[in-house]
Amino acid sequence: SQLAEENPWALSVHEGESVTVNCSYKTSITALQWYRQKSGEGPAQLILIRSNEREKRNGRLRATLDTSSQSSSLSITATRCEDTAVYFCATGGGNTRKLIFGLGTTLQVQP
Amino acid sequence: NAGVIQTPRHKVTGKGQEATLWCEPISGHSAVFWYRQTIVQGLEFLTYFRNQAPIDDSGMPKERFSAQMPNQSHSTLKIQSTQPQDSAVYLCASSADRGPEQFFGPGTRLTVL
Repeated sequence: SQLAEENPWALSVHEGESVTVNCSYKTSITALQWYRQKSGEGPAQLILIRSNEREKRNGRLRATLDTSSQSSSLSITATRCEDTAVYFCATGGGNTRKLIFGLGTTLQVQP
Repeated sequence: NAGVIQTPRHKVTGKGQEATLWCEPISGHSAVFWYRQTIVQGLEFLTYFRNQAPIDDSGMPKERFSAQMPNQSHSTLKIQSTQPQDSAVYLCASSADRGPEQFFGPGTRLTVL
């Protein structure tokens, strides 16, 4: 089973709508990262939220972290067509440096 | 800053042939990572170098796969006797010494016929 898992598996919204992707993880963490991967590109980091933080914002993005339930969420407000991508949560990156990714949530933003 | 460079972008090999994938990390980054991405398994960690030294190869298949970092400007992933199940996108990432963020290249899509 995956050590990190995003849900739902896929989402489709119209431009301007808000959307939330959820992540559950099974390891103890010092931080959790959200990455986005557009077609034909490698993943790119969106937000890093540390284990002592409950919320982190970056422009239209907002991440939350609940270490007691081992879950995180990424919300995007005022979505744009260019937000169409696969969104991953990733744990690790601490002493071991390697990142553990979930299978991702595919987000389609329609005009 | 050109970002992480990976070559080739696409490679097609016949079963049993060798494939060598190249990665040029971001200048000044001390850590280099290799991942493999498939639809079924998602993104899987393969191996990690720091200051050119191999640190963690826990994700590397025991046979046929090897990685090297002969200098700070490039790393290679070599797959000997490729098999159809090796077909995947191979991603290279680099990171600054203490930073958790990893910067990924565009990947090399390997297709083994």
